[in-house]
Parts: sequence; C-alpha cells; structure tokens
Amino acid sequence: QKEVEQDPGPLSVPEGAIVSLNCTYSNSAFQYFMWYRQYSRKGPELLMYTYSSGNKEDGRFTAQVDKSSKYISLFIRDSQPSDSATYLCAMGDYKLSFGAGTTVTVRA
Amino acid sequence: EADIYQTPRYLVIGTGKKITLECSQTMGHDKMYWYQQDPGMELHLIHYSYGVNSTEKGDLSSESTVSRIRTEHFPLTLESARPSHTSQYLCASSGQGASYYGYTFGSGTRLTVV
Repeated sequence: QKEVEQDPGPLSVPEGAIVSLNCTYSNSAFQYFMWYRQYSRKGPELLMYTYSSGNKEDGRFTAQVDKSSKYISLFIRDSQPSDSATYLCAMGDYKLSFGAGTTVTVRA
Repeated sequence: EADIYQTPRYLVIGTGKKITLECSQTMGHDKMYWYQQDPGMELHLIHYSYGVNSTEKGDLSSESTVSRIRTEHFPLTLESARPSHTSQYLCASSGQGASYYGYTFGSGTRLTVV
C-alpha cells in the first residue's frame, strides 16, 4: 500500500467551477500537509501549507486536513484557465511523501 | 524568481558517461533534497542532506551519489549513466524549525540516456 494516495484524475472543468482535489494517507505521524502546483516543464511550487488538522484559506484556495480520517483536500473556487496544472499533495516532516498528482484543465 | 537553481535543464547523454547534475540555493537552507519524478508517478526521494558533510540515501534506491561540501551546493553524480536513469530529477531545499514552510523546488533536470 502506498503511503499517500491521490485521486488520479485527470479533471476537466469549465471556467468558474469549483475544483476539488483529495488525498488519503496511512502514516498517522504526519504533521505537515501541503499542496504543490506544477506547470509543465517546471518544478513544483508551494500552494498551501498547513500544520496538523483544520482548514486554511488563501484567496480562492482552501485546504482541509482531517487527521482522524487521514484525508486532506484542496478546493479551488472560481477556477481560471491559469489554474490548469498538476496538483500534488505532500505530507510528512522534513522528508515529504508525495501523491502522484492530479492534472487539472480549466476550459475557457 | 527562483532561489534554487538546477543545471542543466535538459541533458541527453550516451550510456556509460559520467554526469553531474548541479543544484544551488541562495536561501541559506540547511536541508536539501533530490527527488526523481517519472510521468504520472509520485516524486521519490533519492538523497537528502541536513547540513554540510551530511548526506543520506532516500527511500528509492539509486545508483547516484551526492555531496554537500558547501551549504548552498548539492550536486548529484552518476558515474556510469544507463537508459534506466532516464527521468526528471528535482532538487529542493527547506528551512527548519520556525522557518520550515515546506520545500522550494528547482525547475528540474530532464535526463535522457541513450
């Protein structure tokens, strides 16, 4: 069993829609939870960072962590074509474990 | 603007050649990492360093080696490249303690061994 499982996608949504991305994990010791965005031929860039459980909002992005269910989510409101990218969940401490990524396409 | 730099961005090389992938960061981070990324697959940690003269192997077995002689520099070397080494290699760094906010990644080196 993989340590981190991410919904594989791909997802294609119309502009303005809400995008929902999810990951589950098996290691209850994980304390840091992150979402990275990766454009084609680029390295991942940090999008959201949370410590332990709870919600965090940053503009159109909301990250949720439910440690009791070992489940994390990322929501993108009012999606834009510029949000088209691969989204990676990551978790752990100084050594991160990554999901395989979900490719999202936002259609204009 | 990137504070972590990887060179070269793309490399096509013949089997048996020795290669070094360069990674440098200007943020003064003690911790640095090398990940391998294949299409549709999760990133796999192959090496990490928590400071100068400290290197460890990651979760994915790799024939590559690394060195950390200076804080800002973390090169990865393959003594004899093989087609199975074809992949994208990503370098990252992070702060620690109160300065830890996840990783900053470089743009990656896409290696093709023919």
